Order: sequence, then C-alpha cells, then structure tokens
Amino acid sequence: AQSVTQPDIHITVSEGASLELRCNYSYGATPYLFWYVQSPGQGLQLLLKYFSGDTLVQGIKGFEAEFKRSQSSFNLRKPSVHWSDAAEYFCAVGAGRNTDKLIFGTGTRLQVFP
Amino acid sequence: DSGVTQTPKHLITATGQRVTLRCSPRSGDLSVYWYQQSLDQGLQFLIQYYNGEERAKGNILERFSAQQFPDLHSELNLSSLELGDSALYFCASSVAGGQPGEKLFFGSGTQLSVL
Repeated sequence: AQSVTQPDIHITVSEGASLELRCNYSYGATPYLFWYVQSPGQGLQLLLKYFSGDTLVQGIKGFEAEFKRSQSSFNLRKPSVHWSDAAEYFCAVGAGRNTDKLIFGTGTRLQVFP
Repeated sequence: DSGVTQTPKHLITATGQRVTLRCSPRSGDLSVYWYQQSLDQGLQFLIQYYNGEERAKGNILERFSAQQFPDLHSELNLSSLELGDSALYFCASSVAGGQPGEKLFFGSGTQLSVL
C-alpha cells in the first residue's frame, strides 16, 4: 500500500536560513508526488508536484523539491526562509488507478523566528 | 481563494447527533473529495465522487456517508457522532478525477466539534 512518511513533526528555523523538509514514500510504481502547505485556518495549497522527467521540481513561493528514486525521497527545500513561510507542510503521493486521491504524510509544522 | 466552498465553517454538536457538511466544487470540476484531518490521524482520505458516482473510498466509517448531486455539490453526512469524530473536514475538487496526479483544490474546511 502507498504511504508517506514525514519524519520531522516540528522544525524551527531563523528567518533567512535555509530549509529542508523530509519526505519518504512507499509506492510500487513511479509515484506522483506533491507538497502542499496549510496556513492557519486555511485549506491546503499546492506548492509543487512531480510526475516524471527532471527530478528537481520548482514550485511557488521559492520552494523546490528533488525526487530521488534510490532513496524513495522527495524533500522540500528553500534557500532562504521568510516569516510568512510558517505553516504546516504536507507531502503526498498520488495513489491508485482512475483516481487522483492523495495519500498524505502526517505533516511538518514549520516555525520561523525573526 | 481556491474556488471550493465549504459550509458551515464551524459546527458544534453533541455525541449521538447527526450533521451534514456541504461542499461546492470549483466551477467546472467534476470530482469532489472528502478528507478528515485530526491530531492523531493526520489527513485521511475518506471518499471521492466523480460526476455523481462514487469513484474511490478510503478510511470512511460506516456511520459516515456522502453523495454528489446533479449540480455537482457534495454533502458528507456524519451520524451517531462520537467525541473522536471531532476534526477538520476538508473538501477538495479536481477537473476530472481520473488522472493520477491531477491538481486538487481544497476548501478551507469545516471544523467539527463533538461535545
């Protein structure tokens, strides 16, 4: 069965520092991978997605993620974090045929200090 | 604004009661998904409807049911509510719903509190 693991429940960084949020997936075939962000009181917004091709994917708000098949990972990165990036981040894998339902990880809460 | 509308935003009820959550998808989207977000379970996929028909089922309890109407809006019915049903319920929509990896647009959720 498909699954997603986000090992870090909570991460704290200083504004301007670099960021890497970890995501590992389990899926038998080539996965469709996503990162979503959830700001307080808001729904989820898609940051980026990977289907195939270039393993380094650029997203919105300056985020990028790299797909590494050998490590079953899809880590999210940002070179310089802004205070407005404080939110909860979810990694997800697209699961199943004839459906684009998503299987989400448990999320990583990002706190940014000035 | 994702274009997905969920009502109500907040719902407080008692154990044993029944509630209905409503979702209007983005204009033109045929698929609707329901997710439950709780502290202990995280974001769990409940069910997907495509153009009025059930397309995929996840960890949805038998006490819960959903449907999608001809105008494509969807309702999630939760009955015999228990304390553990307290959660944030998200609705999402997508254009077709049959293509893995299609973009989902999420509503801002309905916060259900069962007292």
